[in-house]
Amino acid sequence: AQSVTQPDIHITVSEGASLELRCNYSYGATPYLFWYVQSPGQGLQLLLKYFSGDTLVQGIKGFEAEFKRSQSSFNLRKPSVHWSDAAEYFCAVGAILTGGGNKLTFGTGTQLKVEL
Amino acid sequence: EPEVTQTPSHQVTQMGQEVILRCVPISNHLYFYWYRQILGQKVEFLVSFYNNEISEKSEIFDDQFSVERPDGSNFTLKIRSTKLEDSAMYFCASSPGGSLAYEQYFGPGTRLTVT
Repeated sequence: AQSVTQPDIHITVSEGASLELRCNYSYGATPYLFWYVQSPGQGLQLLLKYFSGDTLVQGIKGFEAEFKRSQSSFNLRKPSVHWSDAAEYFCAVGAILTGGGNKLTFGTGTQLKVEL
Repeated sequence: EPEVTQTPSHQVTQMGQEVILRCVPISNHLYFYWYRQILGQKVEFLVSFYNNEISEKSEIFDDQFSVERPDGSNFTLKIRSTKLEDSAMYFCASSPGGSLAYEQYFGPGTRLTVT
């Protein structure tokens, strides 16, 4: 069965600093990987996804993530964090369902705090 | 921009009562899902729904749970007899068909509190 590990529960960075959020996955086949962000009182917003091809994927809000098969990782990065990026970030792996669509398995999330 | 909506945002119910959580997926999406997040825990998959039937369900989704798409726009989750451990945030999601079928769009969630 698939699983996702986000080793950092909380991360604090200063505004303008770079950010890297770690994600490791376990999945038997080529994974479909996602990063979602959740702001307080909001739903989960899709930041970016990896299905195949270029291992460096770009997302919304200036985020990017790199798929490294050898390390089973899909870390999220941003070169310069803004105060509005403070939120909870979830990494997820998708398993294709025989009936169509996919089932997401989420990590426990990383809470990002941005210091001004 | 189209979005998934959920009502109510917060539902309080007594143990043993039936609750129905409502979702309006994005128009023209084909796949529908429910997930839940118990406070302090991971977001967990409950069920997926396609072509008017359940395509997969988790172990959590026992006989107390049911889903329905009663018309062309709503997607509901019913819990027949709520338990204290059903208290959680419930998220609805939908995804389009074709090559974008794996991109799920989530609603803001319904916080269910069972007392």
